[in-house]
Amino acid sequence: GENVEQHPSTLSVQEGDSAVIKCTYSDSASNYFPWYKQELGKRPQLIIDIRSNVGEKKDQRIAVTLNKTAKHFSLHITETQPEDSAVYFCAASAPNTGNQFYFGTGTSLTVIP
Amino acid sequence: DGGITQSPKYLFRKEGQNVTLSCEQNLNHDAMYWYRQDPGQGLRLIYYSQIVNDFQKGDIAEGYSVSREKKESFPLTVTSAQKNPTAFYLCASSPWRGADTQYFGPGTRLTVL
Repeated sequence: GENVEQHPSTLSVQEGDSAVIKCTYSDSASNYFPWYKQELGKRPQLIIDIRSNVGEKKDQRIAVTLNKTAKHFSLHITETQPEDSAVYFCAASAPNTGNQFYFGTGTSLTVIP
Repeated sequence: DGGITQSPKYLFRKEGQNVTLSCEQNLNHDAMYWYRQDPGQGLRLIYYSQIVNDFQKGDIAEGYSVSREKKESFPLTVTSAQKNPTAFYLCASSPWRGADTQYFGPGTRLTVL
C-alpha cells in the first residue's frame, strides 16, 4: 500500500520567515494530495490541496508544489504569523484505494514572535 | 466541516466494555471514514464506507466494528478485543467515492480506565 513520509517532525521559525514541509509518497497511482492544519485538541482543517495534473497551487501565503516524477510534494508558508503555529499533516490518495487517505506523521510548526 | 458532528466529546471506558462513538453528517456526503490518532503519529484509517450498507476495513480494523444503515450516520464500536483503545477518534466524510476532500468532525477522546 501507499507509504507517506513527512519531514521535518518539528520546525521553528521566526515570525515573518518562510516554512517548508516536505512529503514523499510511494504509490505512483496517487493523484490527490491534501494538506491539513490541526490545532491542539481540534479537528484537522483542510488548508490546501493539489491534484496530480497540476504542479503548483497557491492560496495567499500558502502554496503547494508537486513533483510526480520524484513522488514528493511540499507545503510552503510565507510571511509566517504566530497563528500559523499548529501541526500540519500531508496525505496522499489514489483512486484504486477507495479514496483512502494515507497520512504523514505530522510536522509541529512553531512561529516565534 | 461544521456539518459533521461527533459525540460524545470525551468518553471513559472500563476494560472489557464495548463503547460506541457516534458520527453524523448533514452534508449529503456518500463516503464516511473513521480514523484513530495517537500522540506523535498521523491519522490511521480504521474503517470506511462509500455507500449505505457497505463498508471496508482500513489498516487497523481489528477490535473495531461499524455499521452504515443510514447515509448520514456511521457509528464506530470499540470492542473489548481492542487492546489499546485510548486515543483520539476522528470521523470524516467526503462527497463521493472518488479522490476528493475529506472533512473532519470534532473528534472523540476515548480513555480506558
